[in-house]
Amino acid sequence: AQTVTQSQPEMSVQEAETVTLSCTYDTSESDYYLFWYKQPPSRQMILVIRQEAYKQQNATENRFSVNFQKAAKSFSLKISDSQLGDAAMYFCAYMRETSGSRLTFGEGTQLTVNP
Amino acid sequence: ETGVTQTPRHLVMGMTNKKSLKCEQHLGHNAMYWYKQSAKKPLELMFVYSLEERVENNSVPSRFSPECPNSSHLFLHLHTLQPEDSALYLCASSHPGTGVKAFFGQGTRLTVV
Repeated sequence: AQTVTQSQPEMSVQEAETVTLSCTYDTSESDYYLFWYKQPPSRQMILVIRQEAYKQQNATENRFSVNFQKAAKSFSLKISDSQLGDAAMYFCAYMRETSGSRLTFGEGTQLTVNP
Repeated sequence: ETGVTQTPRHLVMGMTNKKSLKCEQHLGHNAMYWYKQSAKKPLELMFVYSLEERVENNSVPSRFSPECPNSSHLFLHLHTLQPEDSALYLCASSHPGTGVKAFFGQGTRLTVV
């Protein structure tokens, strides 16, 4: 069974600084997807970034980028130039490469952005 | 706005009540999901429907009964719930054409009294 682990229950960062959230996962599959979702107090789960396991290049979306280490089964999220609106719960998630496949989530990391 | 709409946003029900949660998407997705989010726990997958067929039931008690009448609608029928069923219930949808991205609704906050 696949598992996803986020070892940082809480993180904080100063506005305009950079923060990295950690995620590790366990799977025997070779093809899969990894995601970071953001859940602000509004409860809406918002997709931040996605990585295909077959791609060696790390995904980037504006201020958000990942460090994907397939051999180490590590998938960290880097937020650059942090903004107050980045404050939220961040979830790392795994999905097999099949439509209708489950998303397996980590426990989440609560990110606080200090002005 | 993700294109996935859940109603109601909040629901308080007694243990003897019967209620239903509704999820609707018009994104052309062919897979829909129910997740349960409890405090201090990871999101738990409850049910998966793909092409209107239930493909996964993650050992959910029978007091939760899903229904997928078509690819755009998903329901979760609730009856004789327990206080420990109080949680945020999230619906999601996905499709291969979106690169297997799952889009979530805003959830229904359920309180069982």
